[in-house]
Amino acid sequence: DTGVSQDPRHKITKRGQNVTFRCDPISEHNRLYWYRQTLGQGPEFLTYFQNEAQLEKSRLLSDRFSAERPKGSFSTLEIQRTEQGDSAMYLCASSFGAALETQYFGPGTRLLVL
Amino acid sequence: DAKTTQPTSMDCAEGRAANLPCNHSTISGNEYVYWYRQIHSQGPQYIIHGLKNNETNEMASLIITEDRKSSTLILPHATLRDTAVYYCIDTDKLIFGTGTRLQVFP
Repeated sequence: DTGVSQDPRHKITKRGQNVTFRCDPISEHNRLYWYRQTLGQGPEFLTYFQNEAQLEKSRLLSDRFSAERPKGSFSTLEIQRTEQGDSAMYLCASSFGAALETQYFGPGTRLLVL
Repeated sequence: DAKTTQPTSMDCAEGRAANLPCNHSTISGNEYVYWYRQIHSQGPQYIIHGLKNNETNEMASLIITEDRKSSTLILPHATLRDTAVYYCIDTDKLIFGTGTRLQVFP
């Protein structure tokens, strides 16, 4: 257990539905990252926050995806109008931002879109 | 795209040293080399990182070549619990490739 928690751990939804995932980082960590991982591939960077500011977004993050970190603590990742191609593991990580960034990952939320 | 190259898979006998190579020929002077591993159905776990000098911690050793174009992660006494996918990353954005699947056998 790294201290990063994610909820839910598993989600099954029908195509077209909206889903929201939550990540609770290690409390003193100011940076929070979201990744997506499909079977057989390494994690792909989606976006990251420093405190409440979203500083970078990958081109993978289409307009159906939105992430927030309203108070600089927990974060949510919402996917609107889900598609079957959104089926993946969604990973959250946190770090104490500095020049060296050792990221601590949560267990992930596994999404299956039917 | 990932900027590192790793073998797809490796085997290692339990108790022996596992040496996992990584090529990062395009690494820039101020980029660190990070190693993470991912055990099945879990999130990635940080192992070690380095810039120029060799590094050692309680989990592993990291040997970086003088030209910094490649490195080797060494697990000195591999156990069955070290079976995982090992990722070598050379940027603080953590662009993962497909990693090396290490299978430790009894």
